Amino acid sequence: AQTVTQSQPEMSVQEAETVTLSCTYDTSESDYYLFWYKQPPSRQMILVIRQEAYKQQNATENRFSVNFQKAAKSFSLKISDSQLGDAAMYFCAYRLGDTDKLIFGTGTRLQVFP
Amino acid sequence: GAGVSQSPRYKVAKRGQDVALRCDPISGHVSLFWYQQALGQGPEFLTYFQNEAQLDKSGLPSDRFFAERPEGSVSTLKIQRTQQEDSAVYLCASSLTVSGRLYNEQFFGPGTRLTVL
Repeated sequence: AQTVTQSQPEMSVQEAETVTLSCTYDTSESDYYLFWYKQPPSRQMILVIRQEAYKQQNATENRFSVNFQKAAKSFSLKISDSQLGDAAMYFCAYRLGDTDKLIFGTGTRLQVFP
Repeated sequence: GAGVSQSPRYKVAKRGQDVALRCDPISGHVSLFWYQQALGQGPEFLTYFQNEAQLDKSGLPSDRFFAERPEGSVSTLKIQRTQQEDSAVYLCASSLTVSGRLYNEQFFGPGTRLTVL
């Protein structure tokens, strides 16, 4: 069975600094997608970034980038130049390549201090 | 038009009561998903529709949970004889097309917070 583990329940960062959120996953599949979602207090899940397992290049979206280590089954999220609006719950998620289900980790609460 | 909407946003039910949670997906989206998010946890998959067909209901925790999407647009998640352990946020998501090898982003609604007393 596929599982997703986020070992950091809470993280904090100062505004303008960089923070890295960790995620590991377990799968026997070779074709899959990985995602980071942001969930602010409004509860609406917002896609931050995605990575296709077959791509070796790490995905980047503006201030957000990932470090995808397929052999280690690790998928960390780096947020550069942190902003107050980045404060939220962050969930790592896994999607099997030919299914529609998302499997989420337990989340990391990110606090951003001015 | 707008994003995925869900109603009600909050629901308080007495144990044993039946509840119905509504999801309006983005217009034209073929796929619709329901997830359950317990306090302090990540969302867990409940069920999936492709148009009006319920293709996967493997995540429904018991036969008290029932979902439908009769016309392939609006979906209702019904919980019969609610129990305290049903207290959670219920999230709905939709995506434009059927999955497969290509990526189809799931767009989430704001969720319904259900509290069972």
